[in-house]
Amino acid sequence: QVQLVQSGAEVKKPGASVKVSCKASGYTFTSYYMHWVRQAPGQGLEWMGIINPSGGSTRYAQKFQGRVTMIRDTSTSTVYMELSSLRSEDTAVYYCARAIAARYDAFDIWGQGTMVTVSS
Amino acid sequence: DIQMTQSPSSLSASVGDRVTITCRASQSISIYLSWYQQKPGKAPKLLIYAASSLQSGVPSRFSGSGSGTDFTLTISSLQPEDFATYYCQQSYSTPRTFGQGTKVEIK
Repeated sequence: QVQLVQSGAEVKKPGASVKVSCKASGYTFTSYYMHWVRQAPGQGLEWMGIINPSGGSTRYAQKFQGRVTMIRDTSTSTVYMELSSLRSEDTAVYYCARAIAARYDAFDIWGQGTMVTVSS
Repeated sequence: DIQMTQSPSSLSASVGDRVTITCRASQSISIYLSWYQQKPGKAPKLLIYAASSLQSGVPSRFSGSGSGTDFTLTISSLQPEDFATYYCQQSYSTPRTFGQGTKVEIK
C-alpha cells in the first residue's frame, strides 16, 4: 500500500543538526512532490518546504531559509530533511506529506511523524 | 504570504449535531483549499480537497464548500469518532499555509 515511513525520534542539543528521513513505498516516487510540515507541542501545523523528487528542486519557507536542507535519494525512494542550528523552539513533530497534483496539491498521504526534541 | 483564518478556534457539540467550521483566506485562492482532521498523537488526515471534493474513504457526512476567499467544512451529523482538530490549508501558492485549527470537543 501507499505509505511514507519516517525515521525515529531524536534528541538533540541546541546548536546541533538533525536529519529526518521519509521513505516512500507503493507508488512512483518521482511522480509526486513531497512537503515537510512541523507541529510544535500543542500548536498548529507549520509548512517548512517542498522538494520535487524527480529533479531535486526545492523551495523553503522564509522562516527556515539558511537552516533547512531537503534532498532526495531516488535509489531508495527516500527524502530527507535536515535542520541545523537547532534551538528549543524547534522541538516539534516533523511530518513528510505527499502532494497530489490531480487533487489540487492536497496532502493525501502523511508519514507517521518524527519527534525532535531540542534540549540541553 | 496568504493568511488562513479559521473560526471558531474551538467548539463543543453533541453526537448528532450539525457542525460548521469556516476558513477565510487573505486573498483569493480559487478552490485550492483542503481540509484535514487530526486526532491526538496522529498525523493529519485529508478529508476534502479542491474545496468540496470528498477524499476517497471519507464518510459522506463531511462536506466542503466555497471558493475565492470563504470556505466551510460541515459535518452533517457528528459522530463520536469526529471529535478532533480540523485544519484548512491553501495550496494556491507557496508558502503553503494552514489555518490555526478548530478543536471539536464533546459537549
